[in-house]
Amino acid sequence: NAGVTQTPKFQVLKTGQSMTLQCAQDMNHNSMYWYRQDPGMGLRLIYYSASEGTTDKGEVPNGYNVSRLNKREFSLRLESAAPSQTSVYFCASSEDPGPHYGYTFGSGTRLTVV
Amino acid sequence: GDSVTQMEGPVTLSEEAFLTINCTYTATGYPSLFWYVQYPGEGLQLLLKATKADDKGSNKGFEATYRKETTSFHLEKGSVQVSDSAVYFCALSVGGTSYGKLTFGQGTILTVHP
Repeated sequence: NAGVTQTPKFQVLKTGQSMTLQCAQDMNHNSMYWYRQDPGMGLRLIYYSASEGTTDKGEVPNGYNVSRLNKREFSLRLESAAPSQTSVYFCASSEDPGPHYGYTFGSGTRLTVV
Repeated sequence: GDSVTQMEGPVTLSEEAFLTINCTYTATGYPSLFWYVQYPGEGLQLLLKATKADDKGSNKGFEATYRKETTSFHLEKGSVQVSDSAVYFCALSVGGTSYGKLTFGQGTILTVHP
């Protein structure tokens, strides 16, 4: 029972480099989300995908792009990393995009941009 | 917009003490309310939820009651254990244009000493 799997777990980038964070879920969930977690600020939504084939911006989308590759996979891309993107990134999924469903979270990717 | 405010932390308790972590919210609609817990180095896990006013969510000895009149969802546990040491997040989700998206509080760090 893997749940939500994120790769990599740790990454160090230089300013201006690009990378893709991978996320996959095996629960047949329809909705997937990317959050970033910064000290004292809780979690902030970057992008989400309510269902396969759709994506929408969240609270802090600047500097990021996403791809809902299929129902299982939802990737987050940083095209030109900046130190302000140093954070812990969490992927999550839910059965449906309704307000009553909780999320299942991955274990996170700790990204440092130097 | 929608927001969640948690009591300032960190909270430090002795084992078997009573725990309360305050959470209040502002929402445009009728939200569902959640408590998530994050253990060191891990992703967030759903602890409990309540989807309508006066509902009580409970799990692992933790309880929280959805109070619409005071817009609150305080987390309580009668006797904490060292293993409860973690970061606790209050969150809400509404329908409409914010369909399914979780809005988190800033988190409260709980440390329980033997």
